[in-house]
Amino acid sequence: KNQVEQSPQSLIILEGKNCTLQCNYTVSPFSNLRWYKQDTGRGPVSLTIMTFSENTKSNGRYTATLDADTKQSSLHITASQLSDSASYICVVIPFGGGYNKLIFGAGTRLAVHP
Amino acid sequence: ETGVTQSPTHLIKTRGQQVTLRCSSQSGHNTVSWYQQALGQGPQFIFQYYREEENGRGNFPPRFSGLQFPNYSSELNVNALELDDSALYLCASSLTGNNYGYTFGSGTRLTVV
Repeated sequence: KNQVEQSPQSLIILEGKNCTLQCNYTVSPFSNLRWYKQDTGRGPVSLTIMTFSENTKSNGRYTATLDADTKQSSLHITASQLSDSASYICVVIPFGGGYNKLIFGAGTRLAVHP
Repeated sequence: ETGVTQSPTHLIKTRGQQVTLRCSSQSGHNTVSWYQQALGQGPQFIFQYYREEENGRGNFPPRFSGLQFPNYSSELNVNALELDDSALYLCASSLTGNNYGYTFGSGTRLTVV
C-alpha cells in the first residue's frame, strides 16, 4: 500500500534556530515529491517540488532533500521565524498516477516561539 | 493571473441539511480536485473534474457530488450532512498534462452541528 509518513508529528523550536522535518514514503515509482506549508485553516502552499531524479531543491530558507534509494525526504528550515509556525505536508505523486492519486502525509505541526 | 478562489470561507450547517461549496480555478487551469481535511489530518481526495465530468473519485459516499462548469469552475455538494462532515474542504486546480502546476485554494471551513 502506498503510504507517506512524516515525523515528528509536532515540533517546538525557538526563533532563529534550524530544524529538519522527515518524510518516509513507500510510493514507487513516483513522479515527484512536494513539500507544502499550510497555515491553520488555510490551503496548502507549495514550497518545493522535486522529481525522482533530483536530490535537493531550495526555496529561500527552505531546503528539501530526496534520497530515492532509501525513499526518504527531508525539509530543512534555516533561521526560523515566527511566521514559519504552520503544518508542513509531504505529498507524493505516483508515476503515471495523475493528480487524483496524490498521496498526502499527515503533516508535521511546527511552532516557533520567541 | 488569479489564484484559486473558494467560497464561502466559513459555513455552519445543521445535521441533515445540504451544502454547496464553490471553487473558481486558476486562470489557464482546466482540472479541479476536491479534498476533505479533518482537523490534524492530511487532505483526503474526494473527486476530480475534467471537461465537466468526474475523473476519479476517492472513498466518499454518493451524497458527495460535484459539478464543473464550462469556465472550469466547480461546485461540491454534500447532502444529508453528518457531524463527521465537519472539516476544511480544499479545492485545487491544475492543467491536465502539466505535472507541476497544482494550486490549492484557501478552503471552506464547514461546521455541522
